[in-house]
Amino acid sequence: NAGVMQNPRHLVRRRGQEARLRCSPMKGHSHVYWYRQLPEEGLKFMVYLQKENIIDESGMPKERFSAEFPKEGPSILRIQQVVRGDSAAYFCASQPGTIFYNEQFFGPGTRLTVL
Amino acid sequence: TQLLEQSPQFLSIQEGENLTVYCNSSSVFSSLQWYRQEPGEGPVLLVTVVTGGEVKKLKRLTFQFGDARKDSSLHITAAQPGDTGLYLCAGLVSGGGADGLTFGKGTHLIIQP
Repeated sequence: NAGVMQNPRHLVRRRGQEARLRCSPMKGHSHVYWYRQLPEEGLKFMVYLQKENIIDESGMPKERFSAEFPKEGPSILRIQQVVRGDSAAYFCASQPGTIFYNEQFFGPGTRLTVL
Repeated sequence: TQLLEQSPQFLSIQEGENLTVYCNSSSVFSSLQWYRQEPGEGPVLLVTVVTGGEVKKLKRLTFQFGDARKDSSLHITAAQPGDTGLYLCAGLVSGGGADGLTFGKGTHLIIQP
């Protein structure tokens, strides 16, 4: 009964490079959420996706950030031309499509460090 | 401004003591969850409360949702070192807004043996 999986667990990039973070939801879950946790800050919602659709990206920075959840394969959060301020822990959460009260199950996170 | 305010921010107590942490907001939530997060890991769901006034118990942990669904509390009885961690409350704002959960900054709890 595998939980939400994220990889890599740790990612180091230099300024200007691209970062790709992957998330495989729990089996049977069709909804994926991405959150960012900055040091000393709470988790902040970024984007909500269903298979092949972005439902709500109101928390995503307007530039350099994108997310997808293809029909096959993991959800990917992509950060282009990373800057030091992008250093954070990025968490993915999944949810079955039928739960009304938005109960979400989190992965272990990817810790991104931008040098 | 922080939509969900958690207090205290830090709490260090001795094993065997009781404690309560709070999660407050001026907004109404359709549901509220409590999570526990350990260093280097993702949040782990403890409980979901949905109905105003609801009380749920999980062994030594008691969770309460305020009547107006704007606040919640977590009470731990006879705390143990294994309870050490970051406790987060999170909720879905009632009546619109983002689809993702709104989180508080958390309460860092340390239980000393």
